[in-house]
Amino acid sequence: GENVEQHPSTLSVQEGDSAVIKCTYSDSASNYFPWYKQELGKRPQLIIDIRSNVGEKKDQRIAVTLNKTAKHFSLHITETQPEDSAVYFCAASGGGGSNYKLTFGKGTLLTVNP
Amino acid sequence: GAGVSQSPSNKVTEKGKDVELRCDPISGHTALYWYRQSLGQGLEFLIYFQGNSAPDKSGLPSDRFSAERTGGSVSTLTIQRTQQEDSAVYLCASSDRVGEQYFGPGTRLTVT
Repeated sequence: GENVEQHPSTLSVQEGDSAVIKCTYSDSASNYFPWYKQELGKRPQLIIDIRSNVGEKKDQRIAVTLNKTAKHFSLHITETQPEDSAVYFCAASGGGGSNYKLTFGKGTLLTVNP
Repeated sequence: GAGVSQSPSNKVTEKGKDVELRCDPISGHTALYWYRQSLGQGLEFLIYFQGNSAPDKSGLPSDRFSAERTGGSVSTLTIQRTQQEDSAVYLCASSDRVGEQYFGPGTRLTVT
């Protein structure tokens, strides 16, 4: 089955700096890659996603890049703000005929220091 | 419109008792998913429903776990003879297309 690795597990940045979180996946058939943000005690919320027919997608301060050859994708947050502090999860789906099942990474705890 | 809702929000039960967790998906979403999140861990897939059928139950950790969905809407996850290792947050999600899953607030289960 699919395996998703996520790094780093924790990331601390100063307000205004950029943050980058990286994920790799194992199943070359995967074709959908969402990112979720989970604040403490809250539900995971979809913040951005990318499908395998594009290499990059941007939404204001958030961007995601995808390299299908290398089987990795990354989340980029620019001009970080304290409210960006949360756990971020990457996920992949579409591999092995399971086009519905999301396989998640273990998460990155992002702390933005004011 | 209303998002995914789950009840109860918290459940404390004694080891060996059965529990039922409920999920109300977003209206019109045909797909429904259950995940488990242990402290400091990622999300572990449990089961997937398309309509009322469950084509993938591969993530259920043991035969003590079961789930059903009725009327293409509400789903119930049942854990029989609960064990301490079942303590976790159980999250439900729904979607109307492949991939874009929207999560409920979860049920925090504590087995004492």
